Amino acid sequence: DTEVTQTPKHLVMGMTNKKSLKCEQHMGHRAMYWYKQKAKKPPELMFVYSYEKLSINESVPSRFSPECPNSSLLNLHLHALQPEDSALYLCASSQVPGPSGNTIYFGEGSWLTVV
Amino acid sequence: AQSVTQLDSQVPVFEEAPVELRCNYSSSVSVYLFWYVQYPNQGLQLLLKYLSGSTLVKGINGFEAEFNKSQTSFHLRKPSVHISDTAEYFCAVSGNTPLVFGKGTRLSVIA
Repeated sequence: DTEVTQTPKHLVMGMTNKKSLKCEQHMGHRAMYWYKQKAKKPPELMFVYSYEKLSINESVPSRFSPECPNSSLLNLHLHALQPEDSALYLCASSQVPGPSGNTIYFGEGSWLTVV
Repeated sequence: AQSVTQLDSQVPVFEEAPVELRCNYSSSVSVYLFWYVQYPNQGLQLLLKYLSGSTLVKGINGFEAEFNKSQTSFHLRKPSVHISDTAEYFCAVSGNTPLVFGKGTRLSVIA
């Protein structure tokens, strides 16, 4: 089973709302990732969690707040977003952290629209 | 650091014709190379990867790619495409940094 599950699939939120995106994997992977993908663009790395600790933050604005409650779950808390934050947010996981040949498995993504 | 260049942003091809999607990389260290496919409104799915060993790598859905170190290339090929291959294809590299994606190539298969 090579599945990363993301909820919700679609989210519309106002600029003053607080919402969260959720991600789950049961492959025993110890690295989890958040990527942001704008239309017709490649995915851009936002955060990396290694062994449940934040290891990489690609200078993401503080209105995005990641959380890793346990080795299977990854959340992205959203607050005071801007319309330009509208995008597909992809969660991913890999067996071990760090640059390597490990395959990164992606979820189907959460489509976020900020109005 | 590593970088990836996908030379074609769009590739139209007729059904049952062969296709090659080009990818070149730049790196000062040894690299691992990947091809991912993204079907409309979906996440990314791994097609194939090169870690070491044989330079010809076979993947899912009849795709294959060849690693060429001297030309720093990792081109993706399929001898006969189907309508269902219409998608966005991303080449990606990992070396001493997390996975870096190319800008993608839109493969459109024409009936």
